[in-house]
Amino acid sequence: KAGVTQTPRYLIKTRGQQVTLSCSPISGHRSVSWYQQTPGQGLQFLFEYFSETQRNKGNFPGRFSGRQFSNSRSEMNVSTLELGDSALYLCASSFDLYGYTFGSGTRLTVV
Amino acid sequence: QKEVEQNSGPLSVPEGAIASLNCTYSDRGSQSFFWYRQYSGKSPELIMSIYSNGDKEDGRFTAQLNKASQYVSLLIRDSQPSDSATYLCAALYNFNKFYFGSGTKLNVKP
Repeated sequence: KAGVTQTPRYLIKTRGQQVTLSCSPISGHRSVSWYQQTPGQGLQFLFEYFSETQRNKGNFPGRFSGRQFSNSRSEMNVSTLELGDSALYLCASSFDLYGYTFGSGTRLTVV
Repeated sequence: QKEVEQNSGPLSVPEGAIASLNCTYSDRGSQSFFWYRQYSGKSPELIMSIYSNGDKEDGRFTAQLNKASQYVSLLIRDSQPSDSATYLCAALYNFNKFYFGSGTKLNVKP
């Protein structure tokens, strides 16, 4: 059974650019959540999608957005990148909201 | 105000000892609690979940929940060097939003 797949694994972007990260959940999982992990702030909740609907959102600026497709795959977009956006971005999927499984993450570096 | 608080550690225990990891949460509306283990450079992996007051055991791991005190703990018996990692406590709110603590780093010395 394939796990949660995130692409790309590593990304280097310049300030002001935008970036799109992709997440393919475990087959059958309809809930997908996104998190930002930094050494100083730990794991912070970005948003959660279920059946293409955003059900909850964390305390991030509007530059951070996401969407979910009918096949449950999800994308996260960050516009006008700032140096502080450098982080590990983790996607997690769940079938029943218990026992989220995390992907390997996308490490974004903004220079 | 952080919703989930953990001591960052590091917590050092000798091999074979019991490691005790603690977590407090601020919102009484939280329904469920989870412990994740994260090795350096890896993504978090779920170890235990607990929903009701009391203890829940799974192998060498025991999760404890006290909703009145808003306190969650994880005990690791017979600690092994391979248990050395950062342990993240998470609380579920509104049925679809997780808040994670900043994690406690555990070092198990051979």
